[in-house]
Amino acid sequence: EDQVTQSPEALRLQEGESSSLNCSYTVSGLRGLFWYRQDPGKGPEFLFTLYSAGEEKEKERLKATLTKKESFLHITAPKPEDSATYLCAVRNDRGSTLGRLYFGRGTQLTVWP
Amino acid sequence: GAGVSQTPSNKVTEKGKYVELRCDPISGHTALYWYRQSLGQGPEFLIYFQGTGAADDSGLPNDRFFAVRPEGSVSTLKIQRTERGDSAVYLCASSHTPNYPTDTQYFGPGTRLTVL
Repeated sequence: EDQVTQSPEALRLQEGESSSLNCSYTVSGLRGLFWYRQDPGKGPEFLFTLYSAGEEKEKERLKATLTKKESFLHITAPKPEDSATYLCAVRNDRGSTLGRLYFGRGTQLTVWP
Repeated sequence: GAGVSQTPSNKVTEKGKYVELRCDPISGHTALYWYRQSLGQGPEFLIYFQGTGAADDSGLPNDRFFAVRPEGSVSTLKIQRTERGDSAVYLCASSHTPNYPTDTQYFGPGTRLTVL
């Protein structure tokens, strides 16, 4: 069964204190691992897609990496505006469930000044 | 351009009532998805449309839930005989098509449904 587990559930950082969020997954045929950011009362906002082990992508203070079993979202020198819930999701390559994203429960990040 | 829009943003109803939630996808996106998100959880897949047809409806929890997309654009999620357990945020997303390896789903702001 395709499954995504994110840790920690919640993370509090002081502004400028770098850290990493973890996403462990099991999927039969990875067709993409996705990171989204979700602010309270809003829908998920797309950040990155990773497709194969060893791939990395960056956007401002965020960097996403992928191995065969997990992905990390590294946050360098975070600012209070980075506070949000970060969601990880995977898609498999089975034709019957091609459109479905399997989400983790998210990591709630709080960055205080 | 305009993103995915959903109406209403909030819906409060009584147990046993019927509700309709609307989703307007990004122009040009042929695929449309519905997810449900309970408090403290990640979004949970409900149904996916490719054009007018439901390509995968295996996430619908029971036969009280039904969704349509008659013209391949706007979609309506319909819930009959609502129950308190249906209370959640209902998210809609759209994309070009999941047949493309680089396809990305873009989400709307959601409809918060509260069943009293």
